[in-house]
Formats: sequence, structure tokens, C-alpha cells
Amino acid sequence: DIQMTQSPSSVSASVGDRVTITCRASQGISNWLAWYQQKPGKAPKFLIYTASSLQSGVPSRFSGSGSGTDFTLTISSLQPEDFATYYCQQTYSFPLTFGGGTKVEIK
Amino acid sequence: QLQLQESGPGLVKPSETLSLTCTVSGGSVTSSSYYWGWIRQPPGKGLEWIGSVYDSGSAYYNPSLKSRVTISVDTSKDQFSLKLSSVTAADTAVYYCARLELHYSDYRYYYYGLDVWGQGATVTVSS
Repeated sequence: DIQMTQSPSSVSASVGDRVTITCRASQGISNWLAWYQQKPGKAPKFLIYTASSLQSGVPSRFSGSGSGTDFTLTISSLQPEDFATYYCQQTYSFPLTFGGGTKVEIK
Repeated sequence: QLQLQESGPGLVKPSETLSLTCTVSGGSVTSSSYYWGWIRQPPGKGLEWIGSVYDSGSAYYNPSLKSRVTISVDTSKDQFSLKLSSVTAADTAVYYCARLELHYSDYRYYYYGLDVWGQGATVTVSS
């Protein structure tokens, strides 16, 4: 199985801040990586696929990059509705595996 | 607009079988472009992929659960189902159903991601 490691596990930030979350795969996955946002009590929301492609309707302040084993999710200017937990997921092969999550909290 | 809805018992006794159904509306499970699957989230923890099924019935499972899991599809009802046997308290979680989009390239499949999710069903394992 491909292991996914996210860091940090939590980050405190203010509205307007730039936030970067990293995700590392235990082996090369090309660009087959997805990102999700989850708010308390809600299902995850699909944000990004193939490492850098924004899902329809996702604000442009979200961006993704990376290839191989190292990936990043960046929120360029944090908005109040962005406080949530973010998960990466490798979509290269079954079994699909998620990172442990990064909680973005209000500073 | 495609929607998914989980249904099933919210309480299951230890050693019994957990059964959930996901009903697809606004679309069909008979599409060559998608797998249909289940993901769970224990209280306060992260996401775990359980498995996914194609409209042909071909399924892939998480090896950690493979001996206890069956995912099946009923194309006549646009539903797919999860059965997890011999449950324990560790199986207490919110269970989500979701759609997985496929991409075929270089003689194999890759996956874009889980683009449509149900709202989740809370299942507690307790006597």
C-alpha cells in the first residue's frame, strides 16, 4: 500500500494569511493526487485532482502542485469559510489511501 | 444533479453484520466512467477507504478489511451496498458512499478522485 503523510497536523492562521499544507507519498504516484476539505459534521468536499486541477466551483485561492512523491496545497488568502480539515489522497492505485489530515484553525 | 444517500441501521451488535445501502439519484450507476464506493471515518479520526465497485460487479477492497467486506451493485435500482461482517467497536464510524471517476491510460486505470459524496451514515457497534 502507498502511505500518505501530511504535515503539519494542524496550523493556526488568520484571515488573509497564506497557508501551505504538504503531503508526501511513500512511493512515486506521478500527479495522481487529490485534495479534500472537510468541515465538522459534513462530508468531505472534492477540491483538487491530478495534483493541480481545480474541481468545478472551487475558488481560485486554492491551488495544488507537485509530482512524484511531494505535493502541496496552498490557500493564497485564507477566508473564514476555509477553516476546516484538509486531506490528501493518492489516486494512483488501489487501495486508495488518505493522509492523516491537516486542521486549519483560527489564530 | 447527482446525489447519493446512505441508508441502514444506526446500531449494530458486536459480531453481527453491518449493512448499508447507497441510493443514486439524478444519475445512474451504469456508467463506464465511474466506480462506486465506501469510505468511513471513526469519531475524531481520519478517512479510510473501504472499497469500490464497478457496474459489472467487479470490486476492489482495502486489504485491512478485505476478509470481512462485500460491496455489491444493483443496477436495476441504481443502488450499491456495503456489508461488513463480524463487527467490533472499532467499526463504529460515519460511513460515506461516494463516486470515483476513472481515467484509462497506458493500458491501466487511474482515478481522479471521489467527486460526489453522500451525507454520511453514523453506525455504532454496541450491545
